[in-house]
Amino acid sequence: DGGITQSPKYLFRKEGQNVTLSCEQNLNHDAMYWYRQDPGQGLRLIYYSQIVNDFQKGDIAEGYSVSREKKESFPLTVTSAQKNPTAFYLCASSTHGGRGPVGEQFFGPGTRLTVL
Amino acid sequence: AQTVTQSQPEMSVQEAETVTLSCTYDTSESDYYLFWYKQPPSRQMILVIRQEAYKQQNATENRFSVNFQKAAKSFSLKISDSQLGDAAMYFCAYCNGGGADGLTFGKGTHLIIQP
Repeated sequence: DGGITQSPKYLFRKEGQNVTLSCEQNLNHDAMYWYRQDPGQGLRLIYYSQIVNDFQKGDIAEGYSVSREKKESFPLTVTSAQKNPTAFYLCASSTHGGRGPVGEQFFGPGTRLTVL
Repeated sequence: AQTVTQSQPEMSVQEAETVTLSCTYDTSESDYYLFWYKQPPSRQMILVIRQEAYKQQNATENRFSVNFQKAAKSFSLKISDSQLGDAAMYFCAYCNGGGADGLTFGKGTHLIIQP
């Protein structure tokens, strides 16, 4: 079955530590995205990548970093510079360039990050 | 920058009745797409319906339909014959015409279905 996987489902971090969230897709999608969700808020875009070895900052990129070395993978690192990292993180992917419904994004199951 | 506003933090409807969720957006673009996503307690985001701005006809998907008013920048979701499984957070979302720059989401509406 094609889809998006995120791991781990729950993650605990001590203050001052960096942590990396995994996101893998086997949908052969070009574009991948990271969103953050806080209680009472919608999803906010952290970073996105339209092609391998290229990525752009979203609305709340400070304190986060990403890499896109493979089409299937888009890991997100939450650094110690992120002041309030406790949140629910969602990864998504989409196809574009005329190969599918424009803008429609498919989401992974999410990772709940808690800073202790 | 584009913004999406959902003015109803919570809505309640009786099972089998019809409910309408509101969404307004602000953009200076002429080419864009609008979406409604559902997030049940599992927190998995599920696409409910999509609308292309260039299409005048309102999108429909079974019991779900939209009222797209481009001039008013309004994009409401109507759920007919509400079912218990419809209980969830509903998010309105926007993307520019290229489609690859990410979605802008509203803050969501929590829909409660009364049995």
